[in-house]
Amino acid sequence: ETGVTQTPRHLVMGMTNKKSLKCEQHLGHNAMYWYKQSAKKPLELMFVYNFKEQTENNSVPSRFSPECPNSSHLFLHLHTLQPEDSALYLCASSQVSGSTDTQYFGPGTRLTVL
Amino acid sequence: GDSVTQMEGPVTLSEEAFLTINCTYTATGYPSLFWYVQYPGEGLQLLLKATKADDKGSNKGFEATYRKETTSFHLEKGSVQVSDSAVYFCALINNAGNMLTFGGGTRLMVKP
Repeated sequence: ETGVTQTPRHLVMGMTNKKSLKCEQHLGHNAMYWYKQSAKKPLELMFVYNFKEQTENNSVPSRFSPECPNSSHLFLHLHTLQPEDSALYLCASSQVSGSTDTQYFGPGTRLTVL
Repeated sequence: GDSVTQMEGPVTLSEEAFLTINCTYTATGYPSLFWYVQYPGEGLQLLLKATKADDKGSNKGFEATYRKETTSFHLEKGSVQVSDSAVYFCALINNAGNMLTFGGGTRLMVKP
């Protein structure tokens, strides 16, 4: 596998479910990001991790909980979501955060909350 | 704060037509500028980038020149193909180490 991978590609969940999104990067990068892409809205940065440490939380509700066990893996744990959380969730990585390094994106997880 | 403004779409062109998608930005310092492309059902792919004034980024026939005097980074292609149909995002990272800021995206539709 090369680049940035995300699983699952599609997820349908109820409002009371708990699920997790997974992202893995094979680029040797040290920074990883979660973005949310909703219909008719600009891309929203959610979280940033640099060398496994969270450096940015863009006022994201606590029903979204990120985890970064190492520089190659990033998770987004989901619980008690709302229908308006339905969106495409994109993971990205770069050499380091806080720089002008290019960010490389995964294919995204299409989340539908019923 | 930083911001990126793109022309609203959709942009509909016939195959082999000339493409321009306008992008202007507001940022502190000297940002790096990017164009990303998102094909239907996929994530964002880096199309091209420029890191300083007067740099020209190019890839797959697409070009964009970093114009500091007009704070612009317009995307151009001389002859579009049906396979270029996608959403194009202009973005910047400023050299103060802030995060990637995206424009709203421009949908391009190319008809045979």
